[in-house]
Amino acid sequence: SQQGEEDPQALSIQEGENATMNCSYKTSINNLQWYRQNSGRGLVHLILIRSNEREKHSGRLRVTLDTSKKSSSLLITASRAADTASYFCHYSGGSNYKLTFGKGTLLTVNP
Amino acid sequence: DTAVSQTPKYLVTQMGNDKSIKCEQNLGHDTMYWYKQDSKKFLKIMFSYNNKELIINETVPNRFSPKSPDKAHLNLHINSLELGDSAVYFCASSELPPGLVYEQFFGPGTRLTVL
Repeated sequence: SQQGEEDPQALSIQEGENATMNCSYKTSINNLQWYRQNSGRGLVHLILIRSNEREKHSGRLRVTLDTSKKSSSLLITASRAADTASYFCHYSGGSNYKLTFGKGTLLTVNP
Repeated sequence: DTAVSQTPKYLVTQMGNDKSIKCEQNLGHDTMYWYKQDSKKFLKIMFSYNNKELIINETVPNRFSPKSPDKAHLNLHINSLELGDSAVYFCASSELPPGLVYEQFFGPGTRLTVL
């Protein structure tokens, strides 16, 4: 399967702690994005990192990309209960610009 | 104003029926997509259109037929529905096509249940 792998599959933390999610992929990529999906809702774009970038920040989010290891990580600092959601990496790459989602990490932030 | 809208939100139907899901975006984007999310939350691209032209057609049964009457609309018609078609279907749009993919904007999803 070309589907990206994310780990952990589920993560439960306390409010105020940091959460780190990882995404590994199999093809060369043009860019990688992270999305959030609240239960029963559509996906919301969080951040995009291009293949020539190594790190990007947006508010409490920090994304890293290591193209040599074909992996990316999403760090959410000072988590809040409202951060409870599933997080997916999404990337395009390969000769036919195949679009692929990771399998997702379910994050639960306990108040 | 809703950026990407889908109708219906819920669709319950019998096996063998034909049904359609509609999607509209008011963002002025050139590219639209259909994704399927199964019960394990796995998301897979099904189709993508750029300016009404099909540019991605993944391994999807030919019972699924997308139609793009204009670049703001991408509808999904499903013939002879099967139990395995039960899933949440998401429409999305982006300003640029795959290869230059930037942020995708997703609709709220259509939960299809085939009985």
